[in-house]
Amino acid sequence: QQQVKQSPQSLIVQKGGISIINCAYENTAFDYFPWYQQFPGKGPALLIAIRPDVSEKKEGRFTISFNKSAKQFSLHIMDSQPGDSATYFCAASNSTGANNLFFGTGTRLTVIP
Amino acid sequence: EPEVTQTPSHQVTQMGQEVILRCVPISNHLYFYWYRQILGQKVEFLVSFYNNEISEKSEIFDDQFSVERPDGSNFTLKIRSTKLEDSAMYFCASSVDSLLMSYTFGSGTRLTVV
Repeated sequence: QQQVKQSPQSLIVQKGGISIINCAYENTAFDYFPWYQQFPGKGPALLIAIRPDVSEKKEGRFTISFNKSAKQFSLHIMDSQPGDSATYFCAASNSTGANNLFFGTGTRLTVIP
Repeated sequence: EPEVTQTPSHQVTQMGQEVILRCVPISNHLYFYWYRQILGQKVEFLVSFYNNEISEKSEIFDDQFSVERPDGSNFTLKIRSTKLEDSAMYFCASSVDSLLMSYTFGSGTRLTVV
């Protein structure tokens, strides 16, 4: 059962453009939705996270939009830079249950100069 | 910045052999996890460990797998008799508390079973 679906699989964006990655989840008990950034040879690193009591969270150039009724959330990277080129994973968890994460399949982002 | 350290970075083993993947969590962290990522697929939860016992495990974590914290600093994942399908990147993670936002992942061990 795929608890978290992520799209697109890969994304190419021009420098300065907006990168948008989408995720959808199935389990309505999920209440914590992080995004992880992974560079080659490194482990996933927490980028930004949101809880369902808000519809949007912004940290610098990174914004999560959350739609509880549609069970969808997305990551927007404004003014994308070549240094943002990495694989991005969305994830979800039920923080009142077992504290393990259900990951999406990842999006390989390439920002071209 | 404190890191979760995993060794080796790459291990090649023959099918049927036992492997031990090693992790040194961040020193003041109390919760420990193993995840794996088969090439091109999603990161999947294997097991969580707290207070010297398994607190949660997935259906992937069958009798071939075991975890141990042998000396208060290392956290190991043992696969007793490796199969070809065990080939994956294995990530260790630790957190200071049960809050998910404090997860820190290591760089991973790439296990190749031949």
